[in-house]
Amino acid sequence: QTVVTQEPSLTVSPGGTVTLTCASSTGAVTSGYYPNWFQQKPGQAPRALIYSTSNKHSWTPARFSGSLLGGKAALTLSGVQPEDEAEYYCLLYYGGARVFGGGTKLTVL
Amino acid sequence: QITLKESGPTLVKPTQTLTLTCTFSGFSLSTSGVGVGWIRQPPGKALEWLALIYWNDDKRYSPSLKSRLTITKDTSKNQVVLTMTNMDPVDTATYYCAHGFEYCSGGSCYSGGLDYWGQGTLVTVSS
Repeated sequence: QTVVTQEPSLTVSPGGTVTLTCASSTGAVTSGYYPNWFQQKPGQAPRALIYSTSNKHSWTPARFSGSLLGGKAALTLSGVQPEDEAEYYCLLYYGGARVFGGGTKLTVL
Repeated sequence: QITLKESGPTLVKPTQTLTLTCTFSGFSLSTSGVGVGWIRQPPGKALEWLALIYWNDDKRYSPSLKSRLTITKDTSKNQVVLTMTNMDPVDTATYYCAHGFEYCSGGSCYSGGLDYWGQGTLVTVSS
């Protein structure tokens, strides 16, 4: 069974920078895993932020960026805002099927 | 404007079959590169990807649930239906459908992901 691992929780100060990562139990994450990133706030449906590693949707704030970092997919938030406090999920592609990570709870404090 | 909405029973009994319908607007499932996926989220837990159907009727399933899932589409009605057999209390979750897409660049096409999501529907499995 494929497992996608994210940091369970991270804390960042307003205005700071934080990087969330997404690792695969199958090995290094590459662009062929087409990493997606989603933000979810309590009581809401997930909102798509990043697709195919680093591509932003039209509604994605500029402070969000995606990349590959040390064999993992990464989501970097620069100039964090209080409204960025949320759960963040990555999604990886495995030749057709997809698997979500366990999520990272980001606290802005 | 793309919108999706999930519908189906809010309560099912153990061993029953769940049938959920995703009704969408703003796109056609006959358009190349388009898909509709299903995702669920147990209360307080992480998202779980379930299945995806493409414009060409290609279907993909979560390996761990493949034996219990069936995804179909009705292009004329703008609907995608997910059935899950042998429901168990651990299947209690909010079920979401989402618009999937591929994109093309430099002469090649790639998996995009899921961009627009429905609001979700909570399904409780209990006797």
